[in-house]
Amino acid sequence: RKEVEQDPGPFNVPEGATVAFNCTYSNSASQSFFWYRQDCRKEPKLLMSVYSSGNEDGRFTAQLNRASQYISLLIRDSKLSDSATYLCAVNGVGGGGADGLTFGKGTHLIIQP
Amino acid sequence: DTGVSQDPRHKITKRGQNVTFRCDPISEHNRLYWYRQTLGQGPEFLTYFQNEAQLEKSRLLSDRFSAERPKGSFSTLEIQRTEQGDSAMYLCASSFTNSPLHFGNGTRLTVT
Repeated sequence: RKEVEQDPGPFNVPEGATVAFNCTYSNSASQSFFWYRQDCRKEPKLLMSVYSSGNEDGRFTAQLNRASQYISLLIRDSKLSDSATYLCAVNGVGGGGADGLTFGKGTHLIIQP
Repeated sequence: DTGVSQDPRHKITKRGQNVTFRCDPISEHNRLYWYRQTLGQGPEFLTYFQNEAQLEKSRLLSDRFSAERPKGSFSTLEIQRTEQGDSAMYLCASSFTNSPLHFGNGTRLTVT
């Protein structure tokens, strides 16, 4: 299994729809999980942390499944401005010490009017 | 200080030249990371510092690459004898211990 793996997409979704994507990770001992958003030719920006019990921030919901070693991101009532690449990041898989993050390749999301 | 700052934003250089990038982290953060990102890939870890100590270097970081963080504040990443394969976005991030990474806006390097 690759260290951190995501479906690159693109996901083409009509405005207002709900979309979800997953990210699998290789190290069962990983403790920290994040979703980052990256716009074209910009830096990744932290979208949300992912907690064991699942967490929600407005239209965004993140969940962790330790048994199957994946995290998920669900976006409800999608907006045109949600169009971006969504990167998952996991600690303890690659370099950077305990807090160093290994990133997936990202999932490209396109919201269509 | 509102975020991580990187300079320059863009750098075009000819193959064989040396380049140096600078990163100013969020001032309270003790950890500083360098990542590299190419098109269609996620950021890849290069090296990181805790305060002024460089604690780890990726095998991606060849001998032509060197990073410093004097006095545990800003950091520099130097690439000697650049190659076309070095063309990428170089991202700096900083964090507290046990907290998420916050990225700067990156330095986009093009080697011609």
